Amino acid sequence: DQQVKQNSPSLSVQEGRISILNCDYTNSMFDYFLWYKKYPAEGPTFLISISSIKDKNEDGRFTVFLNKSAKHLSLHIVPSQPGDSAVYFCAASGSGTYKYIFGTGTRLKVLA
Amino acid sequence: EAQVTQNPRYLITVTGKKLTVTCSQNMNHEYMSWYRQDPGLGLRQIYYSMNVEVTDKGDVPEGYKVSRKEKRNFPLILESPSPNQTSLYFCASTDGTTSNYGYTFGSGTRLTVV
Repeated sequence: DQQVKQNSPSLSVQEGRISILNCDYTNSMFDYFLWYKKYPAEGPTFLISISSIKDKNEDGRFTVFLNKSAKHLSLHIVPSQPGDSAVYFCAASGSGTYKYIFGTGTRLKVLA
Repeated sequence: EAQVTQNPRYLITVTGKKLTVTCSQNMNHEYMSWYRQDPGLGLRQIYYSMNVEVTDKGDVPEGYKVSRKEKRNFPLILESPSPNQTSLYFCASTDGTTSNYGYTFGSGTRLTVV
């Protein structure tokens, strides 16, 4: 049973526009969420995180929104740049476990 | 440079031949983990370690062993590899004390078992 789901395998966005990547989870015990970016032939790179006590966290062009009642989080990238083209994974964990459950990833392509 | 180093990057082996993938981190992190990435399945945790001599199973531990004798090293051992262990493997570490708790990942080991 997939506890963390990324239902869109791929997404294409025009340069300069907003990219919205979505993630759903089923386990209400998850209280920490992260987004990672992965380029080919490299390991995933941490991007941004959010604790369940917040509903929004911003870091430059990246914002993560958390809707606990819907068990849904999203990553917004504004403005999107060609260098943002990568696979994005969301991950979730319970308090202090460091046992992260990852989604299947969404491949973002930003068109110049 | 702070990093997680895995070796080898690529490995082709035959069924049943024991192999070890090494992982080392230079950040004095307590927590380390192994993941495998497969198409359509994302990243799945194999084993993790919370400190020296403390390890626990992740979601897909069957066919794998780990050890944590030193803080910096966390090797992944396949005693008798099988073709279904053909995958891309990542080692990762975190100190667990930063505000983001994010793992730092190695560059990956692509393993093919024939």
